[in-house]
Amino acid sequence: GNSVTQMEGPVTLSEEAFLTINCTYTATGYPSLFWYVQYPGEGLQLLLKATKADDKGSNKGFEATYRKETTSFHLEKGSVQVSDSAVYFCALRANQGGKLIFGQGTELSVKP
Amino acid sequence: NAGVTQTPKFRILKIGQSMTLQCTQDMNHNYMYWYRQDPGMGLKLIYYSVGAGITDKGEVPNGYNVSRSTTEDFPLRLELAAPSQTSVYFCASSYQPGLAGSGANVLTFGAGSRLTVL
Repeated sequence: GNSVTQMEGPVTLSEEAFLTINCTYTATGYPSLFWYVQYPGEGLQLLLKATKADDKGSNKGFEATYRKETTSFHLEKGSVQVSDSAVYFCALRANQGGKLIFGQGTELSVKP
Repeated sequence: NAGVTQTPKFRILKIGQSMTLQCTQDMNHNYMYWYRQDPGMGLKLIYYSVGAGITDKGEVPNGYNVSRSTTEDFPLRLELAAPSQTSVYFCASSYQPGLAGSGANVLTFGAGSRLTVL
């Protein structure tokens, strides 16, 4: 079946460090891929997305590239800030009418 | 823009009690969803609806019921609360997945309802 696997957290970084959160997926066909972010006490909100292979989604300094050959959609940011502290969820939609399938979430804590 | 509004934000129930989590959206989205979030488990889909009068089960529907009498509202009912239903519940809505346009496939979430069953 379709599934999403993320690296386990929590991830703790110092401000201005480089961030990578790994995400791999299993799906039939050509899924759309998403990163959602959940700030403390809030609901999830879309961070970025990619709908086909080799697409790069980007927003707020975060980037992720849809790699079909490695079935991955790793999230990266060159220089994190304290305000980036949140839980990050990788998700896929396997087909046009399908429902979102979420990974387990990765908590990021950025220290000043 | 209110977006997706959930009430209550917090609730404590005793085992066997019933309650309804309310969800309303003002974006005229035809799709609505209920998820539960448990620590380290990500989000699991409970029920969803593709339009008024139509609902369907998700991954973990047992112990819950839903209705969709209007486009705006999608309440989630717990009939006999159990400790296993202690969780954070999120309602979300979207346009029909797969439609053309940048808004398709994107879910808008409410702020969540934290439920504890003792």
